[in-house]
Amino acid sequence: DAGVIQSPRHEVTEMGQEVTLRCKPISGHNSLFWYRQTMMRGLELLIYFNNNVPIDDSGMPEDRFSAKMPNASFSTLKIQPSEPRDSAVYFCASSFASGGPDTQYFGPGTRLTVL
Amino acid sequence: TQLLEQSPQFLSIQEGENLTVYCNSSSVFSSLQWYRQEPGEGPVLLVTVVTGGEVKKLKRLTFQFGDARKDSSLHITAAQPGDTGLYLCAGVQGASGAGSYQLTFGKGTKLSVIP
Repeated sequence: DAGVIQSPRHEVTEMGQEVTLRCKPISGHNSLFWYRQTMMRGLELLIYFNNNVPIDDSGMPEDRFSAKMPNASFSTLKIQPSEPRDSAVYFCASSFASGGPDTQYFGPGTRLTVL
Repeated sequence: TQLLEQSPQFLSIQEGENLTVYCNSSSVFSSLQWYRQEPGEGPVLLVTVVTGGEVKKLKRLTFQFGDARKDSSLHITAAQPGDTGLYLCAGVQGASGAGSYQLTFGKGTKLSVIP
């Protein structure tokens, strides 16, 4: 079975450029999460969706970040304009919300470097 | 914000040794999860502990949830090089009405097992 798919795996861009990260969750899952991981701050939840609806975006750093989930099989995280401090590994995870503690399945991540 | 402190931050041991890593919080969680992350990959769930005082075993790994549900430990017996990785604990918070659960991650313990 295919797991969570993220693209690209690596992205190098220059400050001020727009960056779009993509995620395909596991088929049948109804929750999707975007995380950011850095050495300094660890793994932080940015935003999560339930049934394609954003539930909590309080972790989104600022207005430069936006996320969409147009359908159950696709989500994007966009940074515009990008800054060097946005350099991190961005993970997408999905789960099936069943009323108890979910198992979140993580993708392989996108390593973003902003020069 | 509910914070999880993990200790030690780094641990390097010889193959065959035993070790324990800790996850502590001042807050109560409904449950707690442990993940292992290998370089270049996303975290993978190892176990979920739900009840205060609960002990779960996964081969050579023993997980314990504190009686007050504020802390947890992971004990590895006779560590193997394959145990090398970043061990993350995550406190589970129910998102009432939203149908999904949020995770608050610690920064992890980076374990290296030397052959």
